[in-house]
Amino acid sequence: EAGVTQSPTHLIKTRGQQATLRCSPISGHTSVYWYQQALGLGLQFLLWYDEGEERNRGNFPPRFSGRQFPNYSSELNVNALELEDSALYLCASRGVVSYNEQFFGPGTRLTVL
Amino acid sequence: AQSVTQPDIHITVSEGASLELRCNYSYGATPYLFWYVQSPGQGLQLLLKYFSGDTLVQGIKGFEAEFKRSQSSFNLRKPSVHWSDAAEYFCAVGPFSGNTGKLIFGQGTTLQVKP
Repeated sequence: EAGVTQSPTHLIKTRGQQATLRCSPISGHTSVYWYQQALGLGLQFLLWYDEGEERNRGNFPPRFSGRQFPNYSSELNVNALELEDSALYLCASRGVVSYNEQFFGPGTRLTVL
Repeated sequence: AQSVTQPDIHITVSEGASLELRCNYSYGATPYLFWYVQSPGQGLQLLLKYFSGDTLVQGIKGFEAEFKRSQSSFNLRKPSVHWSDAAEYFCAVGPFSGNTGKLIFGQGTTLQVKP
């Protein structure tokens, strides 16, 4: 069974640009979570999508947004990039019967110059 | 507010020695508890989880953890550490009321293994 996949592996942008990160969940999983792992700040919850709807978001500005597609894959968009957005962005998926056990992808390393 | 504390930011142990990583949580009821491991540049791999029942849980790679309600702790242990165990370890709790779905992570403990 394939795990959670994320693309791209690395992404380099300049300040003010937009970044788009993608995530494909494990087959059969309907929930997708996004987390930011920034140096010195630990793992912070960003967004939760389930059945195509945004269910919850963390304490991040509106320029962090995303969506979930009918095939349950997800996209995270970060507009007006700032230097402090540089981080590892992790996607996780969860199945219906997994008691909130989340399975993580390898992450996308976003660098903002 | 719900929180997770990993008191040890960095731990160094010799290969073959035993290991205990500490985790304390703050929550009004029994949460779901997890330990994840992250190798450099990689995502998170689930080591073990606790939902209910037996308070001593076994995980992958020879790890175990014990839930102690009275101490609000969920410490991770391994009897004999291997060099390949060097990584960062995260304790996490979730979900919470209203089914927010999110996990709350501790700050992580970096494990270094001496030969």
